[in-house]
Amino acid sequence: NAGVTQTPKFQVLKTGQSMTLQCAQDMNHEYMSWYRQDPGMGLRLIHYSVGAGITDQGEVPNGYNVSRSTTEDFPLRLLSAAPSQTSVYFCASSRDNEQFFGPGTRLTVL
Amino acid sequence: SQQGEEDPQALSIQEGENATMNCSYKTSINNLQWYRQNSGRGLVHLILIRSNEREKHSGRLRVTLDTSKKSSSLLITASRAADTASYFCATGGAGGTSYGKLTFGQGTILTVHP
Repeated sequence: NAGVTQTPKFQVLKTGQSMTLQCAQDMNHEYMSWYRQDPGMGLRLIHYSVGAGITDQGEVPNGYNVSRSTTEDFPLRLLSAAPSQTSVYFCASSRDNEQFFGPGTRLTVL
Repeated sequence: SQQGEEDPQALSIQEGENATMNCSYKTSINNLQWYRQNSGRGLVHLILIRSNEREKHSGRLRVTLDTSKKSSSLLITASRAADTASYFCATGGAGGTSYGKLTFGQGTILTVHP
């Protein structure tokens, strides 16, 4: 099993550009989440999903959209990137309380 | 806002010593978990303690939970250089399922010198 995979690993955007961060899991987990991690801080929840077709907002959802059309995939969309979105983004999946994390995407917005 | 606050922010010890990290949280919880993050990598789950448990062990890890004080501690015994990492506590809310929805502390950076 690959576990949780994220692409790309690194990305540089200009202000105003859009992009999609991809996340996939092959463990048939119901629950998936997106977090961002800023220097010296823990993770903050952006959006999460409790199953295909069901998503909800976390602590810092502004500027991000998500969808969950399949159990496996949970993409995160930045519609108009801003420098404040420079961060490391982690996707996670779980069947219950324990979350499994992907390796992260390091995003820089200039 | 962050649910958990961790103390200390950084800890530097020698190999073989014990490392203790503390976490405080603000609201009622269903469970508290500890995760480890090696530099530049994703987080790895270490241990989970439920709100009705007071202490839990896993290998060299010992976790305690005091719900009256809203605090937890993680003890790593006989530390090794390979334990060098950041350690985060994370809480799941008390109401309904918290699956997929954790609140993380700011983390403790542990450095173990050979």
